[in-house]
Amino acid sequence: GIQVEQSPPDLILQEGANSTLRCNFSDSVNNLQWFHQNPWGQLINLFYIPSGTKQNGRLSATTVATERYSLLYISSSQTTDSGVYFCAVVRNTNAGKSTFGDGTTLTVKP
Amino acid sequence: DAEITQSPRHKITETGRQVTLACHQTWNHNNMFWYRQDLGHGLRLIHYSYGVQDTNKGEVSDGYSVSRSNTEDLPLTLESAASSQTSVYFCASSDRGPDEQYFGPGTRLTVT
Repeated sequence: GIQVEQSPPDLILQEGANSTLRCNFSDSVNNLQWFHQNPWGQLINLFYIPSGTKQNGRLSATTVATERYSLLYISSSQTTDSGVYFCAVVRNTNAGKSTFGDGTTLTVKP
Repeated sequence: DAEITQSPRHKITETGRQVTLACHQTWNHNNMFWYRQDLGHGLRLIHYSYGVQDTNKGEVSDGYSVSRSNTEDLPLTLESAASSQTSVYFCASSDRGPDEQYFGPGTRLTVT
């Protein structure tokens, strides 16, 4: 099956710093989502981004489908950004079924 | 507002017991999914359904079953709970086409 690799596995930032999280995938995909899992375990949709660039406040994401990677940018990080960020992809032939990466654990210190 | 709910939110059960976890969505989505999340890992697909009476196995389906009798619900049953099934279980739904998934709050299951 498709492989999804996220990097770095762990990231510690000082409040106000910027960061880039990466998601590499091994095959063509129909869609890609970024999620934030907060410290209470809730999975929050950040972006649905099979290709191109989207922005939502301090967060933005870019997917280059032809090169099989996606980037999530967090600017001016806040302590509430802490948690685990997951990338999930759906292969072209696997309608609706997501494969998740192992996530990047982000800790933002005040 | 449309939503997806799971119950119970926490459950402790004994090895060998049958357990059913509920998932209910009001998005009117055709697709529904069950995942499990183990400590330090992403989510792995257990079972999924593309519509009423349709069910399919995911990558970690052994020991689990689902049924889809209506659009809103996809209950997950552990036939004979094992300690290896201690995990957090997430239900999700999506509509045909965009495949953007929305997740429920999760059920933390402990098998003793």
